[in-house]
Amino acid sequence: GENVEQHPSTLSVQEGDSAVIKCTYSDSASNYFPWYKQELGKGPQLIIDIRSNVGEKKDQRIAVTLNKTAKHFSLHITETQPEDSAVYFCAVRGEGANAGKSTFGDGTTLTVKP
Amino acid sequence: EAGVVQSPRYKIIEKKQPVAFWCNPISGHNTLYWYRQNLGQGPELLIRYENEEAVDDSQLPKDRFSAERLKGVDSTLKIQPAELGDSAVYLCASSVRGGISGPYYEQYFGPGTRLTVT
Repeated sequence: GENVEQHPSTLSVQEGDSAVIKCTYSDSASNYFPWYKQELGKGPQLIIDIRSNVGEKKDQRIAVTLNKTAKHFSLHITETQPEDSAVYFCAVRGEGANAGKSTFGDGTTLTVKP
Repeated sequence: EAGVVQSPRYKIIEKKQPVAFWCNPISGHNTLYWYRQNLGQGPELLIRYENEEAVDDSQLPKDRFSAERLKGVDSTLKIQPAELGDSAVYLCASSVRGGISGPYYEQYFGPGTRLTVT
């Protein structure tokens, strides 16, 4: 099955700095790559996603880049704010037998220091 | 638009006791997922429904876990009997699938039920 590795497991940055989280995956047939933010006591919330026919997507301070050849994708948060502090998960979803099934990374705890 | 609703939010039970979780997906979402999230890890799929049919239950421990989605809307996940290792957050999510063989769209998660087995 699909294997997703996420790094780093913890990340601490100063307010205003950028944060980058990277995920690698194993199944080259995977074609949908969402990122979720999970705050304490809440379920994961989709913040941005990218499909395999696109190399980069941006939404205000958040961007995701995808390298299908190397099978990795990254979340970039610029001008970080204390409210960005949370656990971030990447996920991977494929087609065929894996259609509809998302495999998640183990999460990155981001702390933004004011 | 109301989000995914789950209840209860918290549950503490003794081992060997039964427990049930309930999920009400977003209106119109035909696909429903149950995930288990252990501390410090990402969600792991237990079962996925399309309408009332369980299309992927390969990760569901069928000796003690069961699930149902009557009428293709609400769903219930049950554990009987519970074991200490079942302590986790149980998340329900829903999404729309565009047709029988169509694409799956974004998943929306509920707040989860935190289960503690003592």
